[in-house]
Amino acid sequence: GNSVTQMEGPVTLSEEAFLTINCTYTATGYPSLFWYVQYPGEGLQLLLKATKADDKGSNKGFEATYRKETTSFHLEKGSVQVSDSAVYFCALRGLRDTDKLIFGTGTRLQVFP
Amino acid sequence: SQTIHQWPATLVQPVGSPLSLECTVEGTSNPNLYWYRQAAGRGLQLLFYSVGIGQISSEVPQNLSASRPQDRQFILSSKKLLLSDSGFYLCAWSGEPRDRIFGSGTQLSVL
Repeated sequence: GNSVTQMEGPVTLSEEAFLTINCTYTATGYPSLFWYVQYPGEGLQLLLKATKADDKGSNKGFEATYRKETTSFHLEKGSVQVSDSAVYFCALRGLRDTDKLIFGTGTRLQVFP
Repeated sequence: SQTIHQWPATLVQPVGSPLSLECTVEGTSNPNLYWYRQAAGRGLQLLFYSVGIGQISSEVPQNLSASRPQDRQFILSSKKLLLSDSGFYLCAWSGEPRDRIFGSGTQLSVL
């Protein structure tokens, strides 16, 4: 079945450091891929998404590219801020699962000044 | 604008006690509604989803149940809580374009 694997956290960085959070998936066909963010005390929010191979999703300085050849959707940001501290979830929606999202375990990011 | 309300934010309950978590959506009609659970060290697991009043689909067998008495109200319940029911529960609805919009969650601790 479909599944998502993302790197375990916490990821601890200094402000302005480069961020990568790895996410790989297993799915048949071409699923849609998502990154959600959960700030402390809040619900999940959609950060970015990509619906087909080679698409790049971007938002708030974050980017992720849909790589079919490596079945990956790694999240990157060139210069993190303290305000980026949150839990990040990778998720996919299968081609036939029009309304079901499968989430990874989440990766906690802690950014220190 | 659409908003989703979920309460309470935190809840501590003894084993064997009942549970009722409520979620309401405003600013939309006939939404698809969802209950997710995030247990410690795990991803989000879909528990229930509903496409309309009185229509509930269960994704995993468990000690919990869900009901949708009104179009924009979704309730998660249990008659007798187990220790394993502890976790972070999130209500969500399908916005456009078919992405999830989540509530702020309820941290449930069963002692």
